[in-house]
Amino acid sequence: AQTVTQSQPEMSVQEAETVTLSCTYDTSENNYYLFWYKQPPSRQMILVIRQEAYKQQNATENRFSVNFQKAAKSFSLKISDSQLGDTAMYFCAFMSPRGGFGNEKLTFGTGTRLTIIP
Amino acid sequence: EPEVTQTPSHQVTQMGQEVILRCVPISNHLYFYWYRQILGQKVEFLVSFYNNEISEKSEIFDDQFSVERPDGSNFTLKIRSTKLEDSAMYFCASSLGPNSPLHFGNGTRLTVT
Repeated sequence: AQTVTQSQPEMSVQEAETVTLSCTYDTSENNYYLFWYKQPPSRQMILVIRQEAYKQQNATENRFSVNFQKAAKSFSLKISDSQLGDTAMYFCAFMSPRGGFGNEKLTFGTGTRLTIIP
Repeated sequence: EPEVTQTPSHQVTQMGQEVILRCVPISNHLYFYWYRQILGQKVEFLVSFYNNEISEKSEIFDDQFSVERPDGSNFTLKIRSTKLEDSAMYFCASSLGPNSPLHFGNGTRLTVT
């Protein structure tokens, strides 16, 4: 079974600074997908960024980028120019493709609570 | 942008009662999921649903739980006889196809007293 580990329960950073959230995972599979989800105080789960394991290039979405190290099974999220609205719980998640039978479930880490300080 | 919609946002029920949590997935999505998050803990997979049947369920999803897609738009989670430990945030999610990102609803906070 896959496991996802987020070793930083809480982090805080000054507004406009850069912060990196770490995530490691364990799998024996070669092809899979990794995600970062954001959960603000409203409790909604919002997709931040996605990475396919077969792609060497790190995914980026505006101020959000990842550092995907497949051999090390590491998938960190970098938030540049952090904003107050980035304050949220961030979950790293793993998905193993199952051939389209509808059971591509996500395995989540325990989350990192990020606070952006004005 | 289309959204996954969940109702109600908060439900309070007494232990032993049946509850039905409702979800309207994104209209062209084919895969449907329920997850739950006990307060302060991580999000856990409950069940996935595709082609009008359960494709996978976790050990949490015992005989007290059932899912249904009664029409072309709704996707429901029923808990037959609620227990105190069922208190959690329940998230519905849908995806377009295999290996596509899951889009989550805003969740239903279930409180069992």
